[in-house]
Amino acid sequence: EVQLVESGGRLVQPGGSLRLSCSGSGFTFSNYVMAWVRQAPGKGLECISSITTNGGSTYYADSVKGRFTISRDNSKNTLYLQMSSLRAEDTAVYYCVRDRDFDYWGQGTLVTVSS
Amino acid sequence: DIQMTQSPSSLSTSVGDRVTITCRASQDINNHLAWFQQKPGKAPKSLIYAASNLASGVPSKFSGSGSGTDFTLTISSLQPEDFATYYCQQYKTYPRVTFGGGTKVEIK
Repeated sequence: EVQLVESGGRLVQPGGSLRLSCSGSGFTFSNYVMAWVRQAPGKGLECISSITTNGGSTYYADSVKGRFTISRDNSKNTLYLQMSSLRAEDTAVYYCVRDRDFDYWGQGTLVTVSS
Repeated sequence: DIQMTQSPSSLSTSVGDRVTITCRASQDINNHLAWFQQKPGKAPKSLIYAASNLASGVPSKFSGSGSGTDFTLTISSLQPEDFATYYCQQYKTYPRVTFGGGTKVEIK
């Protein structure tokens, strides 16, 4: 069974930093492109970052470019999102998503940016 | 960016009804269109990819159609477990994908 489990979300002050993790199991993690999608409270979905299988190519939405960094450790079956210079508008549930087809989603982890 | 516009934004309907949701792209996306279902407090779930192909395990009461700029998601006979919010997504410009604003299907 494919499983994606996010962790690391918490309350953080504006300007702060946070690292999210996503552990994958039930599939060959290194064979899949991975992405992060976020959803602000009561709002829609936004794909903010993705990474190719070997980490050689990354994508960032304009809203997070220069502040967030996606990475992966295929030996640990883990995807990361390093978030810095956090703003109130980054408050959201962050989902880890598998593949270009977005076929499997984690349960999400809540990041709250507030003083 | 390609803009995705869903309509309606919400609808009230009854169990057993046939429901159609539309999604319009701001430019031609061929058939690079997916649909997702999200229930309250849960992660989205893949329903349809390439405009009309059912994702694994998705019941045949869901169907998708369209190409170019206009697409539809149809639920043939709404059941209680189908009350949710539905999102379309274009991936023509992958990895710069965009989602529609969502359609909330509620019980009348």
